[in-house]
Amino acid sequence: LAKTTQPISMDSYEGQEVNITCSHNNIATNDYITWYQQFPSQGPRFIIQGYKTKVTNEVASLFIPADRKSSTLSLPRVSLSDTAVYYCLVGDSGGGFKTIFGAGTRLFVKA
Amino acid sequence: SAVISQKPSRDICQRGTSLTIQCQVDSQVTMMFWYRQQPGQSLTLIATANQGSEATYESGFVIDKFPISRPNLTFSTLTVSNMSPEDSSIYLCSVAGGTGGLGTVGELFFGEGSRLTVL
Repeated sequence: LAKTTQPISMDSYEGQEVNITCSHNNIATNDYITWYQQFPSQGPRFIIQGYKTKVTNEVASLFIPADRKSSTLSLPRVSLSDTAVYYCLVGDSGGGFKTIFGAGTRLFVKA
Repeated sequence: SAVISQKPSRDICQRGTSLTIQCQVDSQVTMMFWYRQQPGQSLTLIATANQGSEATYESGFVIDKFPISRPNLTFSTLTVSNMSPEDSSIYLCSVAGGTGGLGTVGELFFGEGSRLTVL
């Protein structure tokens, strides 16, 4: 299973765009990249998933370069409620979702 | 999506006792996962529980300490045995599900967690 590296923490202000980059140099051909969000006292929640190029949903965008060795989660115009821990994971369904979580990035959004 | 209910949501336990955490899913799922999250830390996978077979434990976790049951496709239990203060953590139940979109491999759904404090 590919190991991921993310910044430990980030600060932002309300209304700004936040970009969190994750490194996964050993990503395998069959691996997808998935991001989760976790608020205190709650379980992680799926945000977005992609394989290559760009994926966008109502919450975020995910940018994946051609070599797939990194990915960037983009949160447009963050609010105080986006303060959470964000986890980047790589894996494939063949692994039976044996998902290993890295340290994650603690995002603090200030007023 | 899947809705997961865990019981208890929190408990305070005495050293040396055991506690069983229940996980109920609103749909039938093949694989269920148990994670531990110690204060301020990331999630650590304890074991994978498939219905009809023995749970598969990750390195550092053993069946005697964390026995798991999986009697059917919607339910599982995790027991934390002979507890010590080091077992104080949040224990999370998770299942794998499909996002429903093409070109995806699905996602994990988590319960709210069971916060255990061992005195």
